[in-house]
Amino acid sequence: DSGVTQTPKHLITATGQRVTLRCSPRSGDLSVYWYQQSLDQGLQFLIQYYNGEERAKGNILERFSAQQFPDLHSELNLSSLELGDSALYFCASSPETGGYGNTIYFGEGSWLTVV
Amino acid sequence: AQSVTQLGSHVSVSEGALVLLRCNYSSSVPPYLFWYVQYPNQGLQLLLKYTSAATLVKGINGFEAEFKKSETSFHLTKPSAHMSDAAEYFCAVSDRNTPLVFGKGTRLSVIA
Repeated sequence: DSGVTQTPKHLITATGQRVTLRCSPRSGDLSVYWYQQSLDQGLQFLIQYYNGEERAKGNILERFSAQQFPDLHSELNLSSLELGDSALYFCASSPETGGYGNTIYFGEGSWLTVV
Repeated sequence: AQSVTQLGSHVSVSEGALVLLRCNYSSSVPPYLFWYVQYPNQGLQLLLKYTSAATLVKGINGFEAEFKKSETSFHLTKPSAHMSDAAEYFCAVSDRNTPLVFGKGTRLSVIA
């Protein structure tokens, strides 16, 4: 158990819909990362928040957005869903305040299936 | 930009044989290098990492990796494979200013 909690574990929804994935980081970790894992793209970095502020942005679609709340939990919002958005979405956390040499700890992921 | 290439999407070894999973990286600045393992239906777990200390890094479950700057490589090895090592292995690179970038992964099968 990494200490990173993600909900829901599985989600099935229709095209065009909107979903929210939730993440609670490890106790004390200030950084939260979101990654998308799919068969064709592999593990793609989406976005990072540090202590409530956006820190880095990767291959995140405009239809997707995220935020980190004062209690440090984070939500990833996916809207206007398409079949190609079906993937495993990971949240990860780390305590670092500066560079990226620290270990990041992954949750077990949220499986999203768009039908 | 950072990138990682993992040679071989699938590696199959016999139980007790050497495990060698290959990883080459591209980085314009000193990198941090990681190996993560993903067991079925689980998240990623850190095996080991290199952050500019010793070039030979020992990790969990008997795995180790050697950082070779001249070859831009960070290959993962284990002297003797166990059935429980069957999983997906990911090499990843970051630097001081860039979050982790992962390779495509290598699926390790262990044959009894």
